[in-house]
Formats: sequence, C-alpha cells, structure tokens
Amino acid sequence: SQTIHQWPATLVQPVGSPLSLECTVEGTSNPNLYWYRQAAGRGLQLLFYSVGIGQISSEVPQNLSASRPQDRQFILSSKKLLLSDSGFYLCAWTFLREGETQYFGPGTRLLVL
Amino acid sequence: KNQVEQSPQSLIILEGKNCTLQCNYTVSPFSNLRWYKQDTGRGPVSLTIMTFSENTKSNGRYTATLDADTKQSSLHITASQLSDSASYICVVSASRNTDKLIFGTGTRLQVFP
Repeated sequence: SQTIHQWPATLVQPVGSPLSLECTVEGTSNPNLYWYRQAAGRGLQLLFYSVGIGQISSEVPQNLSASRPQDRQFILSSKKLLLSDSGFYLCAWTFLREGETQYFGPGTRLLVL
Repeated sequence: KNQVEQSPQSLIILEGKNCTLQCNYTVSPFSNLRWYKQDTGRGPVSLTIMTFSENTKSNGRYTATLDADTKQSSLHITASQLSDSASYICVVSASRNTDKLIFGTGTRLQVFP
C-alpha cells in the first residue's frame, strides 16, 4: 500500500532563517506531487506541483521554492522565511487520472517568529 | 472567478443526530467534486468523489449529493459520532488534472456527547 511521509511534524523558525520541508511517498512510482499551505481558518492553497523529476510548476509567486530530486521525494524550501510563511504545510500525491483521489500527508506545522 | 463556498462555517450537534453540510461552487469547466474530512492537525482524507453524471455517493454514514445544474453539493452525516468532529472540505476540480483543484474553506463540525 502507498504511504506518504512528511517531516518535521512541527517547526519553529526565526524570521530570515532558511527552510527545508521534506515529503516522500512509498509504494508507488511516478506520482504527481503537490505542496499546499493552509493558513489558520483558511482553505488550502496550492503552492507547487510536480508531474516528474525536476519538473516543478508554481501556482503562487512567493519566497518559497520546491524541488523534486527523486521520483518519490518532494522538497519545499525557502532562503529567508517571512512571518507570513507560518501555516500548516501539506504534501499530497495522486496519479494523473480524472477523478483520482488525492492523498495527503500528515502535514508540517510551521511557526515563524 | 472559480470559487467554492461552504456553509455553515461551523456546526455543533449532539452525538447520534444527523446533519447536512452545504457546498456551492462557481467553477468552470467542472470535472469532479470531492469531500474531504480533516481532523485537527492532520492532512485531509478523501470521503467521496463525484463526477458530473453522479447525483449521490455514499461512504458509510457519509452521503454526498451533487446537483450539477444548480452547482450545489451536500454532505449528509447520519447518526453522528464523536469521531466525526473535524473540518469537512469541499473541493471542486476545474480540469482533468488535479492541479486545478479549488478548495472551500471548510465547515468545522463538533459533535458533543
């Protein structure tokens, strides 16, 4: 069966510090991968998605970046965090098929102080 | 503008009671509509996915309906349990690709004994 992992689970970082969140998927190959952010009381916002190694599409311009160095690894990064980067970051995967369920990871709660 | 609106924003019910959550959308083109359950601090978990031709779909005590003409969907929970306490998110796909998902802000349901 397929599983998706995210770490760390929680993170407290000072403003201006770098960020690296990691997401890995097991039990499947060539998935589509997604990074979402969920601010308190808000809906999920798609940040990045990837249909293959090295292929990244950005939905929202910001100081975050994403990379996919391996088929089942998706990394969210920042060189300098802002206060507004605080939120709940979710990684998800799916296959490119209409109606396909999107499976979410457990999330990383980021607090920037 | 593609939007998904959910009501009510929050709901409190007693254990054993039924409830219905609403979702209205203005998304075009329409591919499918999904309902997710998100426990606090966790990633969303898929409950149902419905395409244009489907009017209703059940998953245990959860029954989703879709009226593509009026662009409305509902999620009915029967005989609520304490474990149903969560946020319920309506998501509409605007294309065959899951990179075009529009998320509602969710309904926060609390079930009390």
